[in-house]
Amino acid sequence: DGGITQSPKYLFRKEGQNVTLSCEQNLNHDAMYWYRQDPGQGLRLIYYSQIVNDFQKGDIAEGYSVSREKKESFPLTVTSAQKNPTAFYLCASSARADHNQPQHFGDGTRLSIL
Amino acid sequence: AQSVAQPEDQVNVAEGNPLTVKCTYSVSGNPYLFWYVQYPNRGLQFLLKYITGDNLVKGSYGFEAEFNKSQTSFHLKKPSALVSDSALYFCAVRDGSNYQLIWGAGTKLIIKP
Repeated sequence: DGGITQSPKYLFRKEGQNVTLSCEQNLNHDAMYWYRQDPGQGLRLIYYSQIVNDFQKGDIAEGYSVSREKKESFPLTVTSAQKNPTAFYLCASSARADHNQPQHFGDGTRLSIL
Repeated sequence: AQSVAQPEDQVNVAEGNPLTVKCTYSVSGNPYLFWYVQYPNRGLQFLLKYITGDNLVKGSYGFEAEFNKSQTSFHLKKPSALVSDSALYFCAVRDGSNYQLIWGAGTKLIIKP
């Protein structure tokens, strides 16, 4: 089955620690996205990548970093600079970064602070 | 600036009754509109989209949405609600000049038996 796999499902971060969330897709999609979801709010875009070796900041990129070395992988690092990282993180992909392409989502990673 | 509003935090409907989840939008150009559904602790699933053409769009699981340009609305509808439709529903929009989707805050739909 084609889809997006996010791991781990739950993650705990200690103070001053960087953590990396994994996102892998086997849909052969060019574009990938990272969103943050907080209760009662819509999704907020952290970073997106239209193609391998290229990525752009979204609305809330501060305290986060990404890489896109392979088409199928788009890991997100939550750095110690992100002071309020507790949230549900969603990775998505689309065939292209075109206006009419729907996004396909993974099942998310829930990050909490120890 | 682009924006999306889902005016109802929660919608309660009896099973078998029709349901409507409201969405209004603001974009500078032609809108590209989407509805997604999210079940607890899961990712979002695509339901339907409006790009151009017929104002009534049909999607997954018996859902449909009506695009109304004059009212800048894209309400999600279903003729007969099922208990399994209970979930969080998100409306999203982008205009022709921007790849980024703008998301509504979500509407919790509760279908009571």
